[in-house]
Amino acid sequence: NAGVTQTPKFRILKIGQSMTLQCTQDMNHNYMYWYRQDPGMGLKLIYYSVGAGITDKGEVPNGYNVSRSTTEDFPLRLELAAPSQTSVYFCASSYAGQSTYEQYFGPGTRLTVT
Amino acid sequence: TQLLEQSPQFLSIQEGENLTVYCNSSSVFSSLQWYRQEPGEGPVLLVTVVTGGEVKKLKRLTFQFGDARKDSSLHITAAQTGDTGLYLCAGRLQGAQKLVFGQGTRLTINP
Repeated sequence: NAGVTQTPKFRILKIGQSMTLQCTQDMNHNYMYWYRQDPGMGLKLIYYSVGAGITDKGEVPNGYNVSRSTTEDFPLRLELAAPSQTSVYFCASSYAGQSTYEQYFGPGTRLTVT
Repeated sequence: TQLLEQSPQFLSIQEGENLTVYCNSSSVFSSLQWYRQEPGEGPVLLVTVVTGGEVKKLKRLTFQFGDARKDSSLHITAAQTGDTGLYLCAGRLQGAQKLVFGQGTRLTINP
C-alpha cells in the first residue's frame, strides 16, 4: 500500500498565484486532514473531512479551500497566495472505526511564496 | 495559547543519557498520542494511550498518561543518535473528530 501520497513535493509560487495541493490515500479511511507546519513549530489544522462531501474548518482556514468528492482524494486549494502561506503542508488520514483517531501522514509539500 | 504545552521545546544530550519530555494541558483528553517526525518527512505514530495512569513501553521509550488524562510524558532510556527528531504529542478531546497537537520537542542526541 502507498498510504498517503502528496504532490507536488516542492513548489515556489509568486504572490497572488493559485495552486492545488493534491492528497490521496488508499487505506479507505473516512477522515482526512490538512495541516501546515511552520519552521520549528507543531501542526496547525487547516481543514478536515469526515467523509466524501463533508468538510469543516480547522484552526487556520483563511486563504484555503478544500473539497472531498471521493473517499480517496482531499485536495487543498490556495487562492491568491501570500508570503504568510509559506510553510510545509501535510495531509493525513484516519479510520473512523478507531475512537483514538490515529493519523497517518503523507510526506508533505514544501511551499514557498515569494 | 496552546492547548497542549510540550516541554522542553529543545533538548540536546549525549548518547547514553536518559531524558523525559512532557506534554501538559488543563483539558481532559479521551486519548493521547505521541508521534516522531524526522527531517523532510511526515510524523509517524509511536503510541496511543487511552486510560488514566496507563504506561506503555516501546523498547527504550516509556510513555505515561496522567491519572487525570490531562498530561503525558515520554521517557527515553540510554538515548541513541537514532532517537534524534521532533516529538509531537496530540490529544483528542471528548467527542472531537480531530486531534490537537503540541508545538513539539526537538531532540538532538549527540554521539
